[in-house]
Amino acid sequence: SQQGEEDPQALSIQEGENATMNCSYKTSINNLQWYRQNSGRGLVHLILIRSNEREKHSGRLRVTLDTSKKSSSLLITASRAADTASYFCATPGGSYIPTFGRGTSLIVHP
Amino acid sequence: DGGITQSPKYLFRKEGQNVTLSCEQNLNHDAMYWYRQDPGQGLRLIYYSQIVNDFQKGDIAEGYSVSREKKESFPLTVTSAQKNPTAFYLCASRAGLAGIYEQYFGPGTRLTVT
Repeated sequence: SQQGEEDPQALSIQEGENATMNCSYKTSINNLQWYRQNSGRGLVHLILIRSNEREKHSGRLRVTLDTSKKSSSLLITASRAADTASYFCATPGGSYIPTFGRGTSLIVHP
Repeated sequence: DGGITQSPKYLFRKEGQNVTLSCEQNLNHDAMYWYRQDPGQGLRLIYYSQIVNDFQKGDIAEGYSVSREKKESFPLTVTSAQKNPTAFYLCASRAGLAGIYEQYFGPGTRLTVT
């Protein structure tokens, strides 16, 4: 059962630009997590934001959470070619099982 | 190194054969998961386990089976009953089932059935 949905499905930018992707979800959550997946690899955890937090930073990453709108955004500042990957948001589903959206495919052109 | 290993990375099988994908973790995590990922798609949950000798079906369990005889191991068998088994399979673990924890993923196994 899918809870979160990322938007846009695909994003193509130039190196140095900022990349913003969004996640919308349907039911109340106590946390939301973002993951990155390089092509043909497993997912890597990027950042976790709890429901009582509005914004969180980690290096060039900034995550926001708006529980009233049931949405989150992931901002990658000063993108690099190495940021090329798919990005997924994960929210707790039934039995606390993390559920993932279809992801945003980000391409950063050098 | 702590982490999750999956083997093999690539697996080829003929239709009608059962195949077992390995997943091992040395993170001392209680919960383990199997996901299936198809091109351009998100992750769909096949099975999960929160304790040894116990596991639960996920959203797409038909045609798959698992076992959890040891805390560190959670192998997945893709049976001949699975209608469309060609996919990328990801194993993950987490410190607990309830509570707020991040998931750790293995590198994945790409299964091709012809």
